[in-house]
Amino acid sequence: SQQGEEDPQALSIQEGENATMNCSYKTSINNLQWYRQNSGRGLVHLILIRSNEREKHSGRLRVTLDTSKKSSSLLITASRAADTASYFCATDAGGTYKYIFGTGTRLKVLA
Amino acid sequence: GAGVSQSPSNKVTEKGKDVELRCDPISGHTALYWYRQSLGQGLEFLIYFQGNSAPDKSGLPSDRFSAERTGGSVSTLTIQRTQQEDSAVYLCASSPTGGTNYGYTFGSGTRLTVV
Repeated sequence: SQQGEEDPQALSIQEGENATMNCSYKTSINNLQWYRQNSGRGLVHLILIRSNEREKHSGRLRVTLDTSKKSSSLLITASRAADTASYFCATDAGGTYKYIFGTGTRLKVLA
Repeated sequence: GAGVSQSPSNKVTEKGKDVELRCDPISGHTALYWYRQSLGQGLEFLIYFQGNSAPDKSGLPSDRFSAERTGGSVSTLTIQRTQQEDSAVYLCASSPTGGTNYGYTFGSGTRLTVV
């Protein structure tokens, strides 16, 4: 299985601090994505990063990808209470049609 | 529609009954996916549709699970003779095309509870 594994499983920080979540995977990929899930329901797409990219930004989000280490990180800067959610990475199987999701990091931002 | 719509939002059923879960994807999205998420867990892939055909059904847990898609649009996931281990949130997602170059748009899910 080339499921992504997020680390840490849970993270609790103060509002205004930065939050970093990591994802490791097992086999080569074409694309990797990060999603946010609030309250155990629908997931919201955050960022897609391709295997030939090393870093992408979207607002307060920064995603890095190191294909040599088969790992990615999601950084949320200046966190807010509204960022409290579970964050999942999803990896494709090197060009197939589907994404495999990791087990997620539960982020809690304390006001 | 504007987003992916799933119904019902919540379903409580007795063990042994059949249930149908519906997904209405974004108009024009050819790819449709079903995932299952047990409490506090990650997403488990169930089935992928490209148009009306299902090239990959490998994630369906047993022959009690089936799914179809009609008109390249609405999909129905059917669970026959439900068991308590089927309790989970069932999530549907759509994407403009097959392949992995686009993010998925997820519905809000159906929370299934088998009692």
